[in-house]
Amino acid sequence: RKEVEQDPGPFNVPEGATVAFNCTYSNSASQSFFWYRQDCRKEPKLLMSVYSSGNEDGRFTAQLNRASQYISLLIRDSKLSDSATYLCVVRSGGYQKVTFGTGTKLQVIP
Amino acid sequence: EPEVTQTPSHQVTQMGQEVILRCVPISNHLYFYWYRQILGQKVEFLVSFYNNEISEKSEIFDDQFSVERPDGSNFTLKIRSTKLEDSAMYFCASREIGLQETQYFGPGTRLLVL
Repeated sequence: RKEVEQDPGPFNVPEGATVAFNCTYSNSASQSFFWYRQDCRKEPKLLMSVYSSGNEDGRFTAQLNRASQYISLLIRDSKLSDSATYLCVVRSGGYQKVTFGTGTKLQVIP
Repeated sequence: EPEVTQTPSHQVTQMGQEVILRCVPISNHLYFYWYRQILGQKVEFLVSFYNNEISEKSEIFDDQFSVERPDGSNFTLKIRSTKLEDSAMYFCASREIGLQETQYFGPGTRLLVL
């Protein structure tokens, strides 16, 4: 099983739609979880950290399910500018290394 | 807003040559990282650096790679004898010390080995 696994997509959704991505991780001792966004040929940028209680930032909601070892990202009212690849990132234990998923590509269509 | 900068933005080199990729992390950050991303693939951790030494490295970071903080601002990645498969985008990142784990990435250096 891959350390961090994501559906590569692409997810093609119309403007205004709600879309959800899941990410599974294999190490039950993982401690920190993040969603990053990466535009084509650009650097990853932090979208949000994921907390045990779940967290929301505007149209974006992140959830963590430790029992099933997955995190999710929900985007409401999709905008054209949300088109990007969404990267799931996991840090395990007391280490500096983080593991990236392969990313899920989102294309928001007018 | 402070940002991580990297130079050069693009580098083309011949197989077997040495390359040095440069990064200027955000000034009050104390953890530094190098990642690579081969075209069409995922971002891969190479190495983390703290307190003037490597704190962790991946299996990719073999003897061909080295990192250095030659002064108070620069953080470099050296590849001693480049191979074709070293062609990738190399990202530098930095973060503050403490509980805030957000890593800020530089714009990357695209390395092409011919």
